[in-house]
Amino acid sequence: GIQVEQSPPDLILQEGANSTLRCNFSDSVNNLQWFHQNPWGQLINLFYIPSGTKQNGRLSATTVATERYSLLYISSSQTTDSGVYFCAVRETSGSRLTFGEGTQLTVNP
Amino acid sequence: DAGVTQSPTHLIKTRGQQVTLRCSPKSGHDTVSWYQQALGQGPQFIFQYYEEEERQRGNFPDRFSGHQFPNYSSELNVNALLLGDSALYLCASSLGGGWSYNEQFFGPGTRLTVL
Repeated sequence: GIQVEQSPPDLILQEGANSTLRCNFSDSVNNLQWFHQNPWGQLINLFYIPSGTKQNGRLSATTVATERYSLLYISSSQTTDSGVYFCAVRETSGSRLTFGEGTQLTVNP
Repeated sequence: DAGVTQSPTHLIKTRGQQVTLRCSPKSGHDTVSWYQQALGQGPQFIFQYYEEEERQRGNFPDRFSGHQFPNYSSELNVNALLLGDSALYLCASSLGGGWSYNEQFFGPGTRLTVL
C-alpha cells in the first residue's frame, strides 16, 4: 500500500514564529487532506488539497502531486495551534485514507 | 448543520467481551468509514460502508464487523476483545461512495479501554 511520511515528527516553537510541515507520499493520490487533532482526539479538517495551493487565515497548504508531496504552512503561530497535525491521502485505486504518523506541534507563550 | 456524531464517548470493557460503537454521519452524507487510532499513532482504516454494504476493508481480523442502516448511520462491533483493541475509534463520513473524491469528516471518537 501507499506510504505516507511526515516531517518533522516533533516541532517546538515560540508564539509568533512560522513553521512548515511536510508530507511525502509514495504513489499517485486523488485526495489529500490535512487535519489538526486537538487534545481530546477530534480531527479537525484544515484542507482538502489533492493539488494546488489554498489559504485559510494564517494557514496555507500546497500539494505538488507530480512530485508526491504536500506542505502545510503555519504563520504567526499561537498556543492554540498546539496539537498533532496529520496528513492523509487516498490512493487512486481505493477508498481508504492512509495517514502519516503526524507532527506534534507545541507552541510556547 | 449537524456534524458527525459518535456514541458512547468512553467505554471500559474486559478481555473477551463484545462492544458496539455507533456513528451518525454528517447531514447529507451517505458513506461511513471507521478508523482505529492507537496511542501515538495515526488512524488506521478498518472498513467503509456505502449503500449498506462493506465496500473496502483494512487489515483487521473478522472480530471487527460493522453494519450500515437505511438512514446511513453505522455500527462497529468488536468481538472477543483483546488488550490491544484499546484505542480511539473514529468514524468518518463522506458523500458518494468509496470511489468518489469527496472530503471525509470525522466524529469526536469513542475511546475504548480493554482491561
